Amino acid sequence: EPEVTQTPSHQVTQMGQEVILRCVPISNHLYFYWYRQILGQKVEFLVSFYNNEISEKSEIFDDQFSVERPDGSNFTLKIRSTKLEDSAMYFCASAHRYINSNQPQHFGDGTRLSIL
Amino acid sequence: EDQVTQSPEALRLQEGESSSLNCSYTVSGLRGLFWYRQDPGKGPEFLFTLYSAGEEKEKERLKATLTKKESFLHITAPKPEDSATYLCAVQAMEGGSEKLVFGKGTKLTVNP
Repeated sequence: EPEVTQTPSHQVTQMGQEVILRCVPISNHLYFYWYRQILGQKVEFLVSFYNNEISEKSEIFDDQFSVERPDGSNFTLKIRSTKLEDSAMYFCASAHRYINSNQPQHFGDGTRLSIL
Repeated sequence: EDQVTQSPEALRLQEGESSSLNCSYTVSGLRGLFWYRQDPGKGPEFLFTLYSAGEEKEKERLKATLTKKESFLHITAPKPEDSATYLCAVQAMEGGSEKLVFGKGTKLTVNP
């Protein structure tokens, strides 16, 4: 069964450094998402991406965050200058949309980001 | 603001002991309610989508139901491999939003 893959599985970074998290969505999916889960808390929406542009973003997704689909397969989340509070599990998700249909979002296994 | 509350936070069952998990939601027009299973260190794994009150979906030992204010995930004769955290999420109709709003989940432990 096709799946969303994320790399790396664990990223350790010094505070203030830039980090890029990578995702390969399911191949025929058109909608892409990033969520994060701080330890012990809810999964929180960050951003959705469709047709090469951001379609929706949360208050968490400030100017330090950016997303990109650099080629036909990868989808990346960049944090420009990391803070301690960015430490979390980051999940990528993708979905396929048919007209008048609501398809579920499928999640990868996440990247654990630890900021020191 | 859209909200999802799941109860109980944790549930311990003996193998074969059936029970139900609750998901209460407040949303400005429900586009869909989703159930996911999450194993430790893994991402949420999709189980069900429910769209309208009265709808039911089944998969093996799991059955999800939906009313206008809550959803239940019924687990019949659970096995140890059903142990996981079960997440409920809603998607709102308003503005064509794509985001899922999650609850904190119910951590289910099934003892042999």
